Amino acid sequence: DAKTTQPPSMDCAEGRAANLPCNHSTISGNEYVYWYRQIHSQGPQYIIHGLKNNETNEMASLIITEDRKSSTLILPHATLRDTAVYYCIVRVGGSSNTGKLIFGQGTTLQVKP
Amino acid sequence: GAVVSQHPSWVICKSGTSVKIECRSLDFQATTMFWYRQFPKQSLMLMATSNEGSKATYEQGVEKDKFLINHASLTLSTLTVTSAHPEDSSFYICSPSSGGRTDTQYFGPGTRLTVL
Repeated sequence: DAKTTQPPSMDCAEGRAANLPCNHSTISGNEYVYWYRQIHSQGPQYIIHGLKNNETNEMASLIITEDRKSSTLILPHATLRDTAVYYCIVRVGGSSNTGKLIFGQGTTLQVKP
Repeated sequence: GAVVSQHPSWVICKSGTSVKIECRSLDFQATTMFWYRQFPKQSLMLMATSNEGSKATYEQGVEKDKFLINHASLTLSTLTVTSAHPEDSSFYICSPSSGGRTDTQYFGPGTRLTVL
């Protein structure tokens, strides 16, 4: 089962920053936090991932708390096309070199004009 | 990101028939393939994991004899839904991986299966 907790839904005004929280209080020291999003009837799209440092790419920023028990995905200037279900996932792997991505229910982000 | 294709993108079939879904990783070698399914208004559920040249490992509750997975090459994996029933109607999504715990995992565009 997924080891993350996300709010089921959020709204954001177009052009404003969207901040999506995720709790992962049982995360292990070698587990990464991944964020994906899924637009209706499409496959999930990779956004960003991190271990303990904050990360930024062309799509978003990922802020991970110092104790790593929670993180926030930030879309700096949300557009209508960012309306999607956002999944925060802790990568399960153990001693395997290929970890499974187990999806929770995610957060449905609705960007409004 | 990686380029992943699935074929067909949608399929409608009669109950009792078998349907094969192809997943191709077009620009990298997929040593591992994950297959997911997604029912309407639900999240993705992992069905099975396969390594190239090996038998697939199925998640609890997924019938291995019903969902046949072949991962014979590093660029192609197939999922065959045998003797399909209406309850198998779902969105099937593949996700190839080149391995490594920090490897970014990409997903195919999905295949919508409707069983009449």
